[in-house]
Amino acid sequence: DAGVTQSPTHLIKTRGQQVTLRCSPKSGHDTVSWYQQALGQGPQFIFQYYEEEERQRGNFPDRFSGHQFPNYSSELNVNALLLGDSALYLCASSLGGQGNYNEQFFGPGTRLTVL
Amino acid sequence: AQSVTQPDIHITVSEGASLELRCNYSYGATPYLFWYVQSPGQGLQLLLKYFSGDTLVQGIKGFEAEFKRSQSSFNLRKPSVHWSDAAEYFCAVAGRGYQKVTFGTGTKLQVIP
Repeated sequence: DAGVTQSPTHLIKTRGQQVTLRCSPKSGHDTVSWYQQALGQGPQFIFQYYEEEERQRGNFPDRFSGHQFPNYSSELNVNALLLGDSALYLCASSLGGQGNYNEQFFGPGTRLTVL
Repeated sequence: AQSVTQPDIHITVSEGASLELRCNYSYGATPYLFWYVQSPGQGLQLLLKYFSGDTLVQGIKGFEAEFKRSQSSFNLRKPSVHWSDAAEYFCAVAGRGYQKVTFGTGTKLQVIP
């Protein structure tokens, strides 16, 4: 059983460009959350997708957007890249539904470097 | 709003010594609490979690943590540290309902022979 997978592993972009990161959830999971982890910091919640809709969002600008596909995989898009967007981007999958917390399983991350 | 404080940025212990990593949280009700470990260049691995019930929880790799509601703390402990435990440790909190997880800033553990 494959766990959470993310692609690409590493990415280098320049300021102003746009980037798309991809995540495939663990088998059986229907919810995907994205986190940004800057160097020396803890992960920061970006947003969560459930049933192809953004269910909850952290304090990130509209330059950060996402999408969830019918097979539950997800993309994170970042427009107009800034140097400060350089970070490890983590995807986590879980079972959806409100009311109870379901454990999130994290992928290995995508390291984004903005030059 | 939920938040987590890990007061120790960096801790150094000798191999075989005991370990305690501190974590304080802020949340309006009973939270879900977690400890994760991250090795360099790796993703996050869940060590243990507290949802309800017994306030002393056991995790993988010989770690345990104790939930103390009166102190809003969830400290991580290990009786004897191994060199392979060197990594960064994150305490995290989640609320009931939606599944947003809020992480602390992490404690980097160094183990010396």
